[in-house]
Amino acid sequence: EVQVVQSGGGLVQPGGSLRLSCKVSGFNFNLYAMSWVRQAPGKGLEWVSTSGGNGGGTYHAESMRGRFTISRDNSKNTLYLQMSALRADDTAKYFCARDVTPAAYGAFDVWGQGTIVTVSS
Amino acid sequence: YELTQPPSVSVSPGQTARITCSGDGLGKEYAYWYQQKPGQAPVLVIYRDSERRSGIAERFSASTSGTIATLTISGVQAEDEADYYCQSGGGRGIPYVFGPGTTVTVL
Repeated sequence: EVQVVQSGGGLVQPGGSLRLSCKVSGFNFNLYAMSWVRQAPGKGLEWVSTSGGNGGGTYHAESMRGRFTISRDNSKNTLYLQMSALRADDTAKYFCARDVTPAAYGAFDVWGQGTIVTVSS
Repeated sequence: YELTQPPSVSVSPGQTARITCSGDGLGKEYAYWYQQKPGQAPVLVIYRDSERRSGIAERFSASTSGTIATLTISGVQAEDEADYYCQSGGGRGIPYVFGPGTTVTVL
């Protein structure tokens, strides 16, 4: 059974940092591109970052580039998102999601439950 | 590439709902469709323009013509009330772009 368990959300002050984690089981994590997708309160879905499978590269949305870093530990079946210089408009529920392909540019067929990040003083 | 969707669609039970998604990249890139109910993660409904995912009701179908993708829900049921998002590739270096979402209301 495929499982995705997210952790690491919470309340952080503007300018602060936070690391999100996404631990998966039930499939060969190394083979799949994995991404973070966020959803601000009452808003739509926004792609954040992607880590390619099979040692593929990483991608970041323009507004997050330089502040967010995606990484993965294939030995732990875990995806991470290191967020720094956080702003109020980063407040959102962050989803971990699996692409159907190793190379990204596909679709997300498995999603985590989401973890809430609130940036506020 | 950017994707455009109507903000809302209202439909009576048993009728047909059509949700459009337009964008210059469609036709070059596949369109994908997600259903999201309040408080839940999105669910992939359609992949590669028109392939219905296993386990998704047959009343869901989709097609792409030119730069417009369309999700069709035939014989809408109350349980289909949700937000629907289209998604495609965003061009070089941008693997994914989402449309703004369409809220389907079953009257």
